[in-house]
Amino acid sequence: DTGVSQNPRHKITKRGQNVTFRCDPISEHNRLYWYRQTLGQGPEFLTYFQNEAQLEKSRLLSDRFSAERPKGSFSTLEIQRTEQGDSAMYLCASSFGTSPYYEQYFGPGTRLTVT
Amino acid sequence: GNSVTQMEGPVTLSEEAFLTINCTYTATGYPSLFWYVQYPGEGLQLLLKATKADDKGSNKGFEATYRKETTSFHLEKGSVQVSDSAVYFCALILTGNQFYFGTGTSLTVIP
Repeated sequence: DTGVSQNPRHKITKRGQNVTFRCDPISEHNRLYWYRQTLGQGPEFLTYFQNEAQLEKSRLLSDRFSAERPKGSFSTLEIQRTEQGDSAMYLCASSFGTSPYYEQYFGPGTRLTVT
Repeated sequence: GNSVTQMEGPVTLSEEAFLTINCTYTATGYPSLFWYVQYPGEGLQLLLKATKADDKGSNKGFEATYRKETTSFHLEKGSVQVSDSAVYFCALILTGNQFYFGTGTSLTVIP
């Protein structure tokens, strides 16, 4: 399977703990996006990378959130000191090219539950 | 600001019925418009797109026309099948790189 993969698929954590998610994009894709989706809502943009450079961050990405994409391949999204409001599905997507109009291919998501 | 408004679901139709899912948008510039679909247990997939006014996107029997005058991008299909049961998301992107998604419309097609 050469699609976008995300790990873990599910994560349950206690409030105040740190969590890290991983996204492996389609191999030749140079752009990688992170979104958050809560129940009954559409995905909300968090941040995106072009190669290893993080070019844009949403206001939703508070100081507790950090994303990296070392070497322009896989990416990690870390949430520090989790809060119950962080419970959501975290989606990763990748695309090829320099234009934002190219199709984004989405992974299956990581569902985070903060208790 | 920029936003997308979709008709609320859930929508339940009988097989072979006509489908319309309404989508309107607000944008500060000239967006490109998209419909994404999420089948049960799967990630979002691009269904169709239109990049300028009066363009018609089409795929798998679905169509949507970019109407600048009404700021709309309604999704239509003439005859739905059970396999079309999914959640449909309307989205826009401007010259930046942020997608703005609607809240999604759940469609169930019954035999």
